[in-house]
Amino acid sequence: DTGVSQDPRHKITKRGQNVTFRCDPISEHNRLYWYRQTLGQGPEFLTYFQNEAQLEKSRLLSDRFSAERPKGSFSTLEIQRTEQGDSAMYLCASSPPSGRHNNEQFFGPGTRLTVL
Amino acid sequence: GQNIDQPTEMTATEGAIVQINCTYQTSGFNGLFWYQQHAGEAPTFLSYNVLDGLEEKGRFSSFLSRSKGYSYLLLKELQMKDSASYLCAVRDNQAGTALIFGKGTTLSVSS
Repeated sequence: DTGVSQDPRHKITKRGQNVTFRCDPISEHNRLYWYRQTLGQGPEFLTYFQNEAQLEKSRLLSDRFSAERPKGSFSTLEIQRTEQGDSAMYLCASSPPSGRHNNEQFFGPGTRLTVL
Repeated sequence: GQNIDQPTEMTATEGAIVQINCTYQTSGFNGLFWYQQHAGEAPTFLSYNVLDGLEEKGRFSSFLSRSKGYSYLLLKELQMKDSASYLCAVRDNQAGTALIFGKGTTLSVSS
């Protein structure tokens, strides 16, 4: 397995448009996280899935944001009616259910969103 | 709530040793992590401490004191490729399983 993958890597959109990002975690990783990172800041937690269940959501996740993980494998993050303040790097991370790496979160390369 | 503090920037020379400090405040501490992030890339895992003491892994070591809410990352035999941002993160039982990251310390290694 080559790690967590995210698509697209870059997205430029106009304010008010909807965008959707996809994350494919490492196979057999049942835990999946979405984070947002802006320049000069550390990643900020958005939401967490264990298998297909969305168990945690940050206050940062306004009603314009929605995330799904329908079959417990890949996940999508949709932002509706984008605003310029949504411009950021959106990072996905996954963790295995058990084993020596179960405390690690393995990050994908991120999707850089620019809202004009 | 949670609060994580680490220096914004540090500089060092090749071959030297550098220590990056991190202080934190959490309601329900459940582990401290260090990640390395090169510009424009994803964070990569360096270390995990949940008990007090020093964890050594090659040129990198991480220390934790839970009573003091303090950790440091020690980098030995610095190389140019170590120039990156180093992120301190904690897991807080009160905040679920997600990591709470500091703003990161940008380390610049010069020859």
